Amino acid sequence: QVQLQESGPGLVKPSETLSLTCAVSGVSMTNNIYYWGWIRQPPGKEPEWIGTVFYNGSTHYAPSLKSRVTISADTSKSQFSLRLTSVTTADTAVYYCARAHTIFGVAIRYYFDYWGQGTLVTVSS
Amino acid sequence: DIQMTQSPSSLSASVGDRVTITCRASPKISNFLNWYQQKPGKAPKLLIYAASSLNNGVPSRFSGAGSRTDFTLTISGLQPEDFATYYCQQTYSIPWTFGPGTKVEIK
Repeated sequence: QVQLQESGPGLVKPSETLSLTCAVSGVSMTNNIYYWGWIRQPPGKEPEWIGTVFYNGSTHYAPSLKSRVTISADTSKSQFSLRLTSVTTADTAVYYCARAHTIFGVAIRYYFDYWGQGTLVTVSS
Repeated sequence: DIQMTQSPSSLSASVGDRVTITCRASPKISNFLNWYQQKPGKAPKLLIYAASSLNNGVPSRFSGAGSRTDFTLTISGLQPEDFATYYCQQTYSIPWTFGPGTKVEIK
């Protein structure tokens, strides 16, 4: 079965870089109907989409975070990663990785059908 | 950015009730609309994609409808396991955005 699992530090200091990895199992990352994404959710708020990566390295980022975010894929290890630089307390959230399933047609539709369990990242000195 | 709103923000209902949650998009998003259920401490779970398509394994008491700007999620016959927060999400244009959520509580 498809599984995603986030890993990385739970505490990051302000101005430093947040780095997380998502291990994917049960599915090939090179299947061209899937993108791989990161979503975060601050305590008590709705989820916020951060960005997605295709297996070939093509990315889409939320404009509000684009200057600080890098998402990359390593299909040989069946994992993808998130780097968020210059973090502040506003970046404290539960971070989820997820699979974005695509439906090809006149336009491409996306939906997140598999999610990791999430990992809480706290930004604090 | 496309703005997503939901109503109500919370509701109280009893087991067996029919519940309808509304999601509104501005500007229009065709049917690029997904619905998720989230329970405390858990990841969101996909219920409905493309406004009205039921995800695999989701009970048929869940249904979605709508297009362009106005969408609904209906639960026909609320079950104890349905008490949760529900979010809509648009993937019509970047950034993909979520609504603020509707919390369904036990009356």
